[in-house]
Amino acid sequence: NAGVTQTPKFQVLKTGQSMTLQCAQDMNHEYMSWYRQDPGMGLRLIHYSVGAGITDQGEVPNGYNVSRSTTEDFPLRLLSAAPSQTSVYFCASSLQENQPQHFGDGTRLSIL
Amino acid sequence: LAKTTQPISMDSYEGQEVNITCSHNNIATNDYITWYQQFPSQGPRFIIQGYKTKVTNEVASLFIPADRKSSTLSLPRVSLSDTAVYYCLVAPQGNQGGKLIFGQGTELSVKP
Repeated sequence: NAGVTQTPKFQVLKTGQSMTLQCAQDMNHEYMSWYRQDPGMGLRLIHYSVGAGITDQGEVPNGYNVSRSTTEDFPLRLLSAAPSQTSVYFCASSLQENQPQHFGDGTRLSIL
Repeated sequence: LAKTTQPISMDSYEGQEVNITCSHNNIATNDYITWYQQFPSQGPRFIIQGYKTKVTNEVASLFIPADRKSSTLSLPRVSLSDTAVYYCLVAPQGNQGGKLIFGQGTELSVKP
């Protein structure tokens, strides 16, 4: 049972480049979300989804897009990377929004 | 969603009981209280969840007074490996299209 899988684990980008962070879960969870965590800070919610075809903005959505075409996958897209988006990104899933969240191992992203 | 307030940091020694209190004055009738633990370079991990009175599992206990405006996570006889950041969340049961907001958390440091 893989749980929540995030790829890549590490990535370095140049300012202005675009990329997609992948998140997949094999637990048939309806609720999925993306967080970013900056050094010494808690997690901040970027986007979330309560089911396939439904997404909504979190606290810090600017500069990021998401889609949820299947229950399993919830990719996060950076349209034009900026140094301020250097962070660790965590994807999480749960059966419903207040059920225990299962987190991936994170993607460490550096933007030069 | 109800906002939560926790101490930024706490220190303890091995073998002591640690109590971390979270304030959530605006908690709603259908809100549950959930605690997560995060080790460095890892995603958060679910510890315990409760609605009222007391909940206990193999890791921790959660005490919730009658007015539910606060909750206390109790870690019995901590060890060095309990050094981590602990987050308190308040959210309604089920999928109600809400956002799960992690605050800054409490950084617990356990010393020998």
